[in-house]
This record gives sequence, structure tokens and C-alpha cells, in this order.
Amino acid sequence: EPEVTQTPSHQVTQMGQEVILRCVPISNHLYFYWYRQILGQKVEFLVSFYNNEISEKSEIFDDQFSVERPDGSNFTLKIRSTKLEDSAMYFCASSRRGWDDYGYTFGSGTRLTVV
Amino acid sequence: GEDVEQSLFLSVREGDSSVINCTYTDSSSTYLYWYKQEPGAGLQLLTYIFSNMDMKQDQRLTVLLNKKDKHLSLRIADTQTGDSAIYFCAESFDSGNTPLVFGKGTRLSVIA
Repeated sequence: EPEVTQTPSHQVTQMGQEVILRCVPISNHLYFYWYRQILGQKVEFLVSFYNNEISEKSEIFDDQFSVERPDGSNFTLKIRSTKLEDSAMYFCASSRRGWDDYGYTFGSGTRLTVV
Repeated sequence: GEDVEQSLFLSVREGDSSVINCTYTDSSSTYLYWYKQEPGAGLQLLTYIFSNMDMKQDQRLTVLLNKKDKHLSLRIADTQTGDSAIYFCAESFDSGNTPLVFGKGTRLSVIA
């Protein structure tokens, strides 16, 4: 069964450093997403991406965040200058819009720890 | 704003039925989902239901939707130890390109 692959599975970074979280969505999917889950909290929507541009973003997705699909297969989330409160599990997801396709396929997540 | 609430913990004995409950606030939600998260894994879509349905059954899983009360439940029959996981309720307005709004998840522990 097709999978969404995320790397790394765990990343530790110092406060103020830039991090890039990587995702390989399912190849025939058209919509891409990042969600995050702070420990003990809800899974929260960050951003959706379609046709090489952001289609929707939440209040969390401020100027410190950016997304890119650099080569047609990878989908990345960059955090420019990490803060302690960015520590969370980050999930990438993709979906193929279609009448017979519901829900998203999520990756296993990247646990980001900012120290 | 939109909100989805779930109880945080549920413990059942192997072989019993589990019922995980969820309430949501957005009456315009069209799709309601149940996701499962096993340790170290991603969010796996278990099942979904359209808002114009009352019930959906899929093998051991039964989803009940009370749209009037905005209440969704997931019943797992004959619960097995492999069902131990966190179960997330989620809602969306569209089928796959609008943000999902999740609950905090219910941790199901199955006792052998």
C-alpha cells in the first residue's frame, strides 16, 4: 500500500536554529499538508499546498514557517528560527481529490525537540 | 470556532466491546473520521461517515452519528490487544482538501 514517508523520525535542534522536515507524499496525490501535535495536545493543521502554492494556512503558520515542493517528489517544512514551543510531532499528509477518495494518508511523523 | 472533544482514556477487557465517543461543534461538518495511531506510527484512517448517514459498519467497527446532538461514536466489537492505540475523531467540511479538525485522541488500553 502506498505510504507517505517522513524523515527524519526524530530531530533535536538548538533554539534559534533552522530545521527542515522532509516528506515524500504518495506519487499521484495532489494536495499536501503539514499538521503538528504538541505533546498531550490536539493534532493541529498548519498548512495545505496545492498546485505549487499554499492554499490554506492556520494562525500557527507564521513567517517562521515555509513550505516547498522543490523537485516534484519531496515536500518540505522549514522552520527558520526554532523556538522551544515548536517542539512537537510534525505530520505530513497527502490526498488525491476524487469522489472515491476520502481522508488523508499521513506519514509516521517527525518528532522535533528544540532545546 | 470548530472544536472536537473526546474522553482521553478508555480501558476494556479483551473480547469486550469498546465505545469511543466524540462531540463536535461545527454543524457544517460534512465528513467525520476516525483515525488510529499506534505507537511510533502515523495516523491511520480507520473509517469515515458522511453527515447524511446515521450509521456505518465495517467488520468489527460501527460508527454511529447523531447529527442533532453532534455526537459521533466508534464501537469496536471483540476488542483485541492489537486494538490498543490512540483513536482520533476528526471532522472536515470537504472530502480531502480542507483542513481536518481533530480531537485530542482517546487512548484505548486493552487488558488481556
